[in-house]
Amino acid sequence: AQSVTQPDIHITVSEGASLELRCNYSYGATPYLFWYVQSPGQGLQLLLKYFSGDTLVQGIKGFEAEFKRSQSSFNLRKPSVHWSDAAEYFCAVGPSQGGGNKLTFGTGTQLKVEL
Amino acid sequence: GAVVSQHPSWVICKSGTSVKIECRSLDFQATTMFWYRQFPKQSLMLMATSNEGSKATYEQGVEKDKFLINHASLTLSTLTVTSAHPEDSSFYICSAPSNPGYTDTQYFGPGTRLTVL
Repeated sequence: AQSVTQPDIHITVSEGASLELRCNYSYGATPYLFWYVQSPGQGLQLLLKYFSGDTLVQGIKGFEAEFKRSQSSFNLRKPSVHWSDAAEYFCAVGPSQGGGNKLTFGTGTQLKVEL
Repeated sequence: GAVVSQHPSWVICKSGTSVKIECRSLDFQATTMFWYRQFPKQSLMLMATSNEGSKATYEQGVEKDKFLINHASLTLSTLTVTSAHPEDSSFYICSAPSNPGYTDTQYFGPGTRLTVL
């Protein structure tokens, strides 16, 4: 069965500092990987996704993530965090096209940004 | 971009009553919608897949008779929590893919906070 692990429940960084949120997955087939951000009162917003090809993917809001098959990881990074990035971040894994749209989510990482 | 709405955004009810939550795709048709449940500080857990014109598909461990799902049209799915109890208090989120064949086209509603007294 597929699973997603986000080892860090809470992370606090200073504004302007770099950020890395960890995500490890277990999936039987080629995974489709996603990072979502959840802000209070808003729906989950897709930051970026990896399907195939270049293992470093760029997303919105200056985020990027790197897929490392050997480590079963898909860590999210941002070079310089802004106060508005404070939110909950979820890593998710899903099936390939045609396999349905079911997503399996990690437990999330709450990001706090200190000014 | 595509928008999915939920109504109400929050609801408080007494134990034993039923509560209906609506999920609408505002600018696209959704033959499939998904219902998730999120406990505080926990992940989203898929409860069921709502299929327009047919029965919903429930995940293992989810009580079909407690969580009634109706996908009445291509833009509306409803989740009814029947005979709600305090343990049903949670954050319920729906999602819908604008293109069922592509996982990355899934859009999420803002969620409904249910509190059962």
